[in-house]
Amino acid sequence: DVKVTQSSRYLVKRTGEKVFLECVQDMDHENMFWYRQDPGLGLRLIYFSYDVKMKEKGDIPEGYSVSREKKERFSLILESASTNQTSMYLCASSQSGGYLYEQYFGPGTRLTVT
Amino acid sequence: GDSVTQMEGPVTLSEEAFLTINCTYTATGYPSLFWYVQYPGEGLQLLLKATKADDKGSNKGFEATYRKETTSFHLEKGSVQVSDSAVYFCALSGGGGYQKVTFGTGTKLQVIP
Repeated sequence: DVKVTQSSRYLVKRTGEKVFLECVQDMDHENMFWYRQDPGLGLRLIYFSYDVKMKEKGDIPEGYSVSREKKERFSLILESASTNQTSMYLCASSQSGGYLYEQYFGPGTRLTVT
Repeated sequence: GDSVTQMEGPVTLSEEAFLTINCTYTATGYPSLFWYVQYPGEGLQLLLKATKADDKGSNKGFEATYRKETTSFHLEKGSVQVSDSAVYFCALSGGGGYQKVTFGTGTKLQVIP
């Protein structure tokens, strides 16, 4: 059974803290993605990576950075968390040639910044 | 840029009713089209997909047909069950020759017994 796992289901952090969200996939996928999901806005792409050490900005990269040192792991970093980053964060992966192939999602991390 | 528009919810239906969730898209090129479903407390999972015009995707009694002439990919099911209660997302990828996926805002479906 294919799997995308995320390090935490729920996380509470204080304003200004550095936050790390980890994602691991076991499908040997080339592509990995980070989204945030907010009511009424659907999913918005923050960053994606199509290879180790490669990254591309998505639609809303401001305030975030990413790291991909190994193929199976993709980390999202909030350098200095702010209350407007309170959201559900979803990680996904897909095979290369991704427009033909579906994305596989993790269960999500609900982050609250106080 | 690419965009996906789907009907606003929530949609409330009685068990065994017919379901339609409308989805239209704007894209360059020849995108693939997807429906994802998100059950409460979970991530998204693929429900069905179609990769070229006139293709019909189907799964678990749901189906959708890729209509290039109307740029639509409406989701239908003949008889919904309580267990179908979830949020449904229409999505496209490859419109710009790109591996990025563009999602609609989601439609919440509630099925009551």
